[in-house]
Amino acid sequence: KAGVTQTPRYLIKTRGQQVTLSCSPISGHRSVSWYQQTPGQGLQFLFEYFSETQRNKGNFPGRFSGRQFSNSRSEMNVSTLELGDSALYLCASSSASGANVLTFGAGSRLTVL
Amino acid sequence: AQSVTQLDSQVPVFEEAPVELRCNYSSSVSVYLFWYVQYPNQGLQLLLKYLSGSTLVESINGFEAEFNKSQTSFHLRKPSVHISDTAEYFCAVSGPLSGNTGKLIFGQGTTLQVKP
Repeated sequence: KAGVTQTPRYLIKTRGQQVTLSCSPISGHRSVSWYQQTPGQGLQFLFEYFSETQRNKGNFPGRFSGRQFSNSRSEMNVSTLELGDSALYLCASSSASGANVLTFGAGSRLTVL
Repeated sequence: AQSVTQLDSQVPVFEEAPVELRCNYSSSVSVYLFWYVQYPNQGLQLLLKYLSGSTLVESINGFEAEFNKSQTSFHLRKPSVHISDTAEYFCAVSGPLSGNTGKLIFGQGTTLQVKP
């Protein structure tokens, strides 16, 4: 059973640009969550999508957005990049039944110059 | 609101020695508790979880954690560590009242450094 796949693994952008990250969940998982990991703030919840609907959102500015497709694949977008957006972005999927046991992908490491 | 505190940012230990990584949580409702491990340049891997039932949970690689409701703790222990256990460990909490969402609250992480 394939795990959670995130692309790209590494990317470099400059301030003001935008970026789109992709996440393919485990087959059969309908919930996809996104987290930002930085040395200073640790792991912070961005948002969660279930059946193409955002059902939970963390405390991030509107520059951070996401969506989920009918096949449960998800994308997140960050517009007008700032230096502080440099981070490891982790995607996690779950079956969304019972307890929320998340399976994480390897992450997309974004560097903003 | 829920919160998690990992009491040690770094824990150095010699190989084959026992180790305990401490985690306290704050929540006014029932919780689910997790330990995740992160190796360099990788994502998070689930180590073990407490959902209900026995308060002592074990992983396949020798780690165990005990849910203590009165002390609101979920400390991670291993009786004998290996070099390969060197990694960052994260304690996390979520609650059944959160509606089966994918929102976990993580501690700041504990770096376990196993020395030969």
